[in-house]
Amino acid sequence: QQKVQQSPESLIVPEGGMASLNCTFSDRNSQYFWWYRQHSGEGPKALMSIFSNGDKKEGRFTAHLNKASLYVSLHIKDSQPSDSALYFCAVSSGTGGYKVVFGSGTRLLVSP
Amino acid sequence: DPKIIQKPKYLVAVTGSEKILICEQYLGHNAMYWYRQSAKKPLEFMFSYSYQKLMDNQTASSRFQPQSSKKNHLDLQITALKPDDSATYFCASSGQGADTQYFGPGTRLLVL
Repeated sequence: QQKVQQSPESLIVPEGGMASLNCTFSDRNSQYFWWYRQHSGEGPKALMSIFSNGDKKEGRFTAHLNKASLYVSLHIKDSQPSDSALYFCAVSSGTGGYKVVFGSGTRLLVSP
Repeated sequence: DPKIIQKPKYLVAVTGSEKILICEQYLGHNAMYWYRQSAKKPLEFMFSYSYQKLMDNQTASSRFQPQSSKKNHLDLQITALKPDDSATYFCASSGQGADTQYFGPGTRLLVL
């Protein structure tokens, strides 16, 4: 049974600072990884996907994947108050029933 | 225009009753999902459907029954409601299994 764990549970960074979110997973067959963001009162929205080892940058967001270490991270550069939200790591093996397992989330607060 | 519609937005039910949560997606996706979010389990996978066929069921209780009358519809019937069923239920859709999932705005269910 896939286990996806995120750390820290909550994080406060100053506006303009760097936020670093971590995620570990347990299934070595995992192939597909996403970071989702959820603002209060809304559904989660995908920020970015990463499927290959290494870094992937999209604007202020950089995801890093190391499948051998069962680890994926998200770094947010120049954090803005609008980045304050709940962030989820999501992992899939891509087989069977399309199941995606979400981590427990990191709550990010960017203080102005 | 919203691409994934969930109805109703809020729902209050009494213990033992039955409710149906509605989900329609207009993204042209073939796969649809249900998730549940509560304080205890931040985002919990419930079901996945592809081309109106059940792909995966991670819900232990038969009180939860998805219903797909059309390719872009996946409703969720919940019978014999319990206070523990109180949560926000999200519908999502994707092109195929490894594609990014898009979430609806959720239905917030409160069982008294």
